Amino acid sequence: DTGVSQDPRHKITKRGQNVTFRCDPISEHNRLYWYRQTLGQGPEFLTYFQNEAQLEKSRLLSDRFSAERPKGSFSTLEIQRTEQGDSAMYLCASSLEVGQFFGPGTRLTVL
Amino acid sequence: QKEVEQNSGPLSVPEGAIASLNCTYSDRGSQSFFWYRQYSGKSPELIMFIYSNGDKEDGRFTAQLNKASQYVSLLIRDSQPSDSATYLCAVRGTSYGKLTFGQGTILTVHP
Repeated sequence: DTGVSQDPRHKITKRGQNVTFRCDPISEHNRLYWYRQTLGQGPEFLTYFQNEAQLEKSRLLSDRFSAERPKGSFSTLEIQRTEQGDSAMYLCASSLEVGQFFGPGTRLTVL
Repeated sequence: QKEVEQNSGPLSVPEGAIASLNCTYSDRGSQSFFWYRQYSGKSPELIMFIYSNGDKEDGRFTAQLNKASQYVSLLIRDSQPSDSATYLCAVRGTSYGKLTFGQGTILTVHP
């Protein structure tokens, strides 16, 4: 399978803990996006990389969130001091040209 | 006013009928428009995209764009029960930037 992969698929954590998610894009795709989706809503943009450069970050993204794509391949999204409001599906997408192709997502539950 | 608005539905159509899904957007600078399908518990799957005013057809799907009215629609011909899903409209301003999604329309195709 050469699609976007994400790890872990599910994460349960206690409030205040740090979590890190990983995304491996489709191999030749140079653009990588992170979104967050809550029940009944469409995905909400978090941040976007072209190769290793972080080109855009949502104004809604607090400083507890940080993302990296150190070698222009896989990316990590870290959430520090998690809050219950961070519970959501975290989606990664990659793109070479027009379309963005989503991975299966990481479902985060903060207790 | 939300940037991208969709009727959340649910929209219910009989098998074999045409399903019509609508979307309006607020940013006149938007350049490209996307339709995604999302099955329950799964990630969004790209159906098609459109740039120019008019219609674009791909199999049973037709996307329609009217930039003057800031309106995008998706028609699904010969609807099948397997088309039952949430349909997400997304809009992009710059060539390779973020997608802004609507909240999605739930479609149910009943036999």
